[in-house]
Amino acid sequence: EIVLTQSPGTLSLSPGERGTLSCRASQSVGSGYLAWYQQKPGQAPRLLISGTSSRATGIPDRFSGSGSGADFTLTISRLEPEDFAVYYCQHYGSTPYTFGQGTKLEIK
Amino acid sequence: QVQLQESGPGLVKPSQTLSLTCTVSGGSITGVGFHWSWIRQHPGKGLEWIGFIYYSGNINSNPSLKSRVSISVDTSKNQFSLKLSSVTAADTAVYYCASAPWGHYYLDHWGQGTLVTVSS
Repeated sequence: EIVLTQSPGTLSLSPGERGTLSCRASQSVGSGYLAWYQQKPGQAPRLLISGTSSRATGIPDRFSGSGSGADFTLTISRLEPEDFAVYYCQHYGSTPYTFGQGTKLEIK
Repeated sequence: QVQLQESGPGLVKPSQTLSLTCTVSGGSITGVGFHWSWIRQHPGKGLEWIGFIYYSGNINSNPSLKSRVSISVDTSKNQFSLKLSSVTAADTAVYYCASAPWGHYYLDHWGQGTLVTVSS
């Protein structure tokens, strides 16, 4: 089973700043099969990124994904107030498909 | 656009079977472009993948739950279902149904989730 470790656990930033979230896998994620989700309180997760770097439909271009092998990054170029939420990464290269423990992005 | 809605009891007694249904709208459950999935989230915690089903009945489930999990499809009602047997308090969670595009297993559409509490 691939274990995904996200860092930091909590990231405190101000609107307009750049946010960088990390997701490290315990082994290489095949074919870059890594997705990112955003979850706000009381809501279901929302797909942001699939295949390491492909934005989902309707996702603003301030969200970008990068990485390869076992190290992946979600970058939010200029934080908007609505971006403060919890972010999860997920690999889907092999079963079981696992999620990271999440990074909480909070307003500083 | 595919929409999903979970339904089922919010309270289940220990040792009993948790049963949930996901109703799909805006698309056919027999559509070749989709896998159908269940995920859960323990209170205040992260996400756990439970399993996927394709409309043909092919199932892929998490080994940690495999012996207790059953996932099925009802094409006549455009629904798929989850059964989790021998539940304990550790199965208390918000359960989500979701869809994934064919050939990939990221989750692009989600239901709103339903809280299931295991308690006597």
